[in-house]
Amino acid sequence: AQKVTQAQTEISVVEKEDVTLDCVYETRDTTYYLFWYKQPPSGELVFLIRRNSFDEQNEISGRYSWNFQKSTSSFNFTITASQVVDSAVYFCALMRKAAGNKLTFGGGTRVLVKP
Amino acid sequence: ETGVTQSPTHLIKTRGQQVTLRCSSQSGHNTVSWYQQALGQGPQFIFQYYREEENGRGNFPPRFSGLQFPNYSSELNVNALELDDSALYLCASSQTSASSYNEQFFGPGTRLTVL
Repeated sequence: AQKVTQAQTEISVVEKEDVTLDCVYETRDTTYYLFWYKQPPSGELVFLIRRNSFDEQNEISGRYSWNFQKSTSSFNFTITASQVVDSAVYFCALMRKAAGNKLTFGGGTRVLVKP
Repeated sequence: ETGVTQSPTHLIKTRGQQVTLRCSSQSGHNTVSWYQQALGQGPQFIFQYYREEENGRGNFPPRFSGLQFPNYSSELNVNALELDDSALYLCASSQTSASSYNEQFFGPGTRLTVL
């Protein structure tokens, strides 16, 4: 069975602070993909990043960065110099290729950035 | 390129009624997945349709059923509605092929309220 855990249910920061969202996953598969999605109040899930299980290279995209560590089954997400527009719920998700591209989501972390 | 669209946006039903939700997949995509997102939780996989056949199902009872049409659009039907069916229903489209992964693009969702 596969599982995604996001231990932080809500994080509140002041604008320009950095915020790190934790994600821990469980799977016995060797080929899988990890995702982060952003869900603003409008409800639509916005794709942020995909990582496959064979690529542990960390990635930076603007103010966003991701740290993938297979040894600890973690795929953490950092927002640097947060802005009010970053306020949303963020979901980490796991896709096992063998499972027909079904996404297993974590419970989400609500980020509130105060001005 | 047209994105994923869903209708209706909001819906209110009473217990025991039946509901049909609709999803138009993104141009060029042949696979549709449906997810249920209860308030404050992560999305849960309901089922997936590929080439008009069900291609994987999550832990949902048979009263949740679906269809995919030749143009790859899809319907989600829920019979005998229960209060716990109140949720945001998300549709995601993707292109199933021999490639290593198939990114899913989400629609804005249909918010169903069961009274």
